[in-house]
Order: sequence, then structure tokens, then C-alpha cells
Amino acid sequence: DAGVIQSPRHEVTEMGQEVTLRCKPISGHDYLFWYRQTMMRGLELLIYFNNNVPIDDSGMPEDRFSAKMPNASFSTLKIQPSEPRDSAVYFCASSTIETGKDTQYFGPGTRLTVL
Amino acid sequence: GQQVMQIPQYQHVQEGEDFTTYCNSSTTLSNIQWYKQRPGGHPVFLIQLVKSGEVKKQKRLTFQFGEAKKNSSLHITATQTTDVGTYFCAGLIMKTSYDKVIFGPGTSLSVIP
Repeated sequence: DAGVIQSPRHEVTEMGQEVTLRCKPISGHDYLFWYRQTMMRGLELLIYFNNNVPIDDSGMPEDRFSAKMPNASFSTLKIQPSEPRDSAVYFCASSTIETGKDTQYFGPGTRLTVL
Repeated sequence: GQQVMQIPQYQHVQEGEDFTTYCNSSTTLSNIQWYKQRPGGHPVFLIQLVKSGEVKKQKRLTFQFGEAKKNSSLHITATQTTDVGTYFCAGLIMKTSYDKVIFGPGTSLSVIP
């Protein structure tokens, strides 16, 4: 299996621009998680989906952030408009109840820099 | 709100010394997982503990889950340079309608050869 795939790996954009991060979970996994990691705040859960349905989005910072999962093999995290304080590494992770839904497999992350 | 804390934040050890990181939750946990993140990498699942008082070993790593299911520890015997990285605990909290996994802030381990 290819593991969790994220794109792009690096993104540099200017303040005010729209940013879209993409994630392909491991095939067969029915849980998908979006995290943000910064030195100051550590690893924060933004949102998670079960069977493509958002379950907990209490970690989404504000209305500028939105996440979708149109099907079992694809999810996006969109920031519009982006701000410098959004600079972070964004991880996507997936899991399945068959191997323990709390055992999360992380993607390589997208390093976002907002200038 | 619910919090998961870890101490120490940083630890520098000489190669061959032992290392322990502690994880404490303000709320009783259903289970706890441990992850390792190498510098520049992504978190990688190490282990999950479910039962009160559970102890699991992986080679030089020993994981414990407290009797009250509010704390956990990871102990590494005779550290090696390959142990360098940040170790995160993540606790599962059961809410009425859904579960929530909360990550601790991590303990960053440096090993001096």
C-alpha cells in the first residue's frame, strides 16, 4: 500500500490567497483526520471524518478553514483567505476500525508558508 | 476542556542512558497511543494501551498505562541515536456522540553519541 498521500508537499503563498491541501487516505480506511502542527501549538486536530461524514470539526480555527470529503479516497482542506499565522505543517491521517480506529497512519504532511 | 500533558518537554541524554517520558490526562482515557516523529518526518504509530495497568514492551521500549487510566509512560532502555525524535502520547476520550483523540505536546529526545 502506498500509505497516506498528501499534496502538495510544500506550498508557499501570499497572504490573502486561497490554499487547497489534498489527501488520499489508505484504501479501505474509513476515518480521515486533518491536523496542524506548529512549534507553538504542537499537533492540533482540526477535523475528522467517518465514512466521508464530518464528525468533529471543533478544532477548525475559523470560517476561513473548510474541509470536504467527497468520496472515500479523497479529502481537501481549504484556507481562504490565507494569513501568515496559518503557516504550519498540515498532516492528514487515516485509520480503520478493523485495525483499531485510533491507530492513525499519517501522511508526509504539507508544509505551508504564507508570506 | 480536556488536556493531555507530557513531561519533560525536552530531554538530552548520552547514548546508552535510559529515557522516560510521562503523559498525564485531566480526564479518564479509554485508551492511549504512542507515536514517534523523527525530525522533519511525520508521526508514526508505536503502540496502543487499553487496559488499566497494562504494560507492553517493544525491544528496548516499555509502555505503561496507569491504574486510573489517566497517565502513561514510555521508557527507553539504553538509548541509541536512532531513538532521536519527538514522542507523543494521544489519549482517546469518549464523548456522548463521538470519540476524540487528544495529542500531548510531545517530548523531544536528543541523544548525544
